[in-house]
Amino acid sequence: GQSLEQPSEVTAVEGAIVQINCTYQTSGFYGLSWYQQHDGGAPTFLSYNGLDGLEETGRFSSFLSRSDSYGYLLLQELQMKDSASYFCAVRNDYKLSFGAGTTVTVRA
Amino acid sequence: EAGVAQSPRYKIIEKRQSVAFWCNPISGHATLYWYQQILGQGPKLLIQFQNNGVVDDSQLPKDRFSAERLKGVDSTLKIQPAKLEDSAVYLCASSLGAGGNTEAFFGQGTRLTVV
Repeated sequence: GQSLEQPSEVTAVEGAIVQINCTYQTSGFYGLSWYQQHDGGAPTFLSYNGLDGLEETGRFSSFLSRSDSYGYLLLQELQMKDSASYFCAVRNDYKLSFGAGTTVTVRA
Repeated sequence: EAGVAQSPRYKIIEKRQSVAFWCNPISGHATLYWYQQILGQGPKLLIQFQNNGVVDDSQLPKDRFSAERLKGVDSTLKIQPAKLEDSAVYLCASSLGAGGNTEAFFGQGTRLTVV
């Protein structure tokens, strides 16, 4: 079977750093993606890791360790607009499958 | 560039009725996905098309759900008959391909309420 695990909720203050971990079990793994979804909105793509290591895109970074079946999304310099749900998603056997999501709440 | 278009945005039906959702992907995108997102959960892949062929439909309840993608462009998802537990947002997404680093673009979704 296939599974993705990520924390359900994280709360932090503006300007802080948040790390959202994702562990996965799947066959035919190609890579790990991260998507952001605001309340009532559509998921939007943030990043993709196909190889081990860190990918940086502005305030957001994503990491993958294929040997550990583990990845994380790092949100830096948190802003109020970063309050949203964040999903890790695996590409395996050409499918794109999502985790249950982590709700990030940013407090002033 | 136009995004993924879905209609209707909202639909309320009674249980045992039928309903259909329509999706027009981004032009040139070969891969089309239908997801079901129940409130508070992650999107669940119902069916994935590559052009007009099905890549995966392992989580599609085939006794009541059906989907087609005619001519490898737009797609419809149908539920017949609907159950209360089908209340969810149905998201359509498309991508250039199904390879690793291929961003999926989502439509705004159809919010279905079954009463």
